[in-house]
Amino acid sequence: KNEVEQSPQNLTAQEGEFITINCSYSVGISALHWLQQHPGGGIVSLFMLSSGKKKHGRLIATINIQEKHSSLHITASHPRDSAVYICASDNTDKLIFGTGTRLQVFP
Amino acid sequence: DARVTQTPRHKVTEMGQEVTMRCQPILGHNTVFWYRQTMMQGLELLAYFRNRAPLDDSGMPKDRFSAEMPDATLATLKIQPSEPRDSAVYFCASGLGQGTYNSPLHFGNGTRLTVT
Repeated sequence: KNEVEQSPQNLTAQEGEFITINCSYSVGISALHWLQQHPGGGIVSLFMLSSGKKKHGRLIATINIQEKHSSLHITASHPRDSAVYICASDNTDKLIFGTGTRLQVFP
Repeated sequence: DARVTQTPRHKVTEMGQEVTMRCQPILGHNTVFWYRQTMMQGLELLAYFRNRAPLDDSGMPKDRFSAEMPDATLATLKIQPSEPRDSAVYFCASGLGQGTYNSPLHFGNGTRLTVT
């Protein structure tokens, strides 16, 4: 059974800090998704990656297939980055979700 | 800006009543997913369709839940009869391709269901 674990569960930061959220999964996958859930509840797909690294603005996602591990980094964090970040392993359409990391960035 | 539309946004109903949630996927997307989110279980897949055909509904309690896609622009999730343990946020998401690994998912804003 594939399990997805995220750490930390909760994270607080001062504006400008570099943020790292970790995700580990237990079985081989075809892709790894990072999602952002806003305080209002909406979910946005940030990244979908199967190897290497992807960057979008201040967000960077990396994945190590051999180690079954992915990280989401936020550079120069801002209060608007406050949200829950969820990783999900993807094995032929069936996403298995982590429990999320709640990030609060204070000015 | 194309988006997935879910209705209603909120639903409060009494135990035993029928609940129908609707989803309009992004035009042209061929894959539609229904997810449920609770505090205890997080996000879970209930069912999904590709090209309107149901591919997997193993996450759904079959005795009371049903999911259909009567046409390419509408997916429905029905609960009959509803129970308090069904209280959750139900998300619809759509994508394009042969699998979720082929395209990122686009989520609707969810239907917050409360069953009293």
